[in-house]
Amino acid sequence: NAGVMQNPRHLVRRRGQEARLRCSPMKGHSHVYWYRQLPEEGLKFMVYLQKENIIDESGMPKERFSAEFPKEGPSILRIQQVVRGDSAAYFCASSPGSGGTYEQYFGPGTRLTVT
Amino acid sequence: AQSVTQLGSHVSVSEGALVLLRCNYSSSVPPYLFWYVQYPNQGLQLLLKYTTGATLVKGINGFEAEFKKSETSFHLTKPSAHMSDAAEYFCAVSLSGGSNYKLTFGKGTLLTVNP
Repeated sequence: NAGVMQNPRHLVRRRGQEARLRCSPMKGHSHVYWYRQLPEEGLKFMVYLQKENIIDESGMPKERFSAEFPKEGPSILRIQQVVRGDSAAYFCASSPGSGGTYEQYFGPGTRLTVT
Repeated sequence: AQSVTQLGSHVSVSEGALVLLRCNYSSSVPPYLFWYVQYPNQGLQLLLKYTTGATLVKGINGFEAEFKKSETSFHLTKPSAHMSDAAEYFCAVSLSGGSNYKLTFGKGTLLTVNP
């Protein structure tokens, strides 16, 4: 039973480029969460999605960041025109639909470096 | 709104000694509480969780935690530390009820185990 998959594991982008981070949830999971981990800090919630719907994006920066979870395929976190402050580890987690055990399963993360 | 405070960003113990990692939370409604462990350059793994019922929760690798509502605490303990326990530990809270299970994390506690 494959766990949450994220790719790429490491991503290097120059300032001004776009970064696309992918997350494939565990089989049977329809809820996806994205978190960002900055150096010396804990994880911060960014966005919560269900298939084709953004449920809560209260943690997303207002500009340059977007997320989607289409009917088919992985969830995508997109960062346009990256800046050095976007360098961080980005983690995706998935959980079962409503009625589940409230447990989130985390992927290995994508470590973004902006040069 | 909810928040988590982990006292001590770095805890050092000797192998075989008691491990105690502190976590206090604030929540406007009954919380769900979690402890996660993160090994270097990896994702987060769930150690244990409290949702309802018994307030003493046992998890993997010999860890346990006790939910104390009066103290708003959820401290993590292990009777005897192993070298393999060296990692970063995160306490997290989510709100019961509703359908948004986003997690709010503490800043983490780095556990060092000395031989």
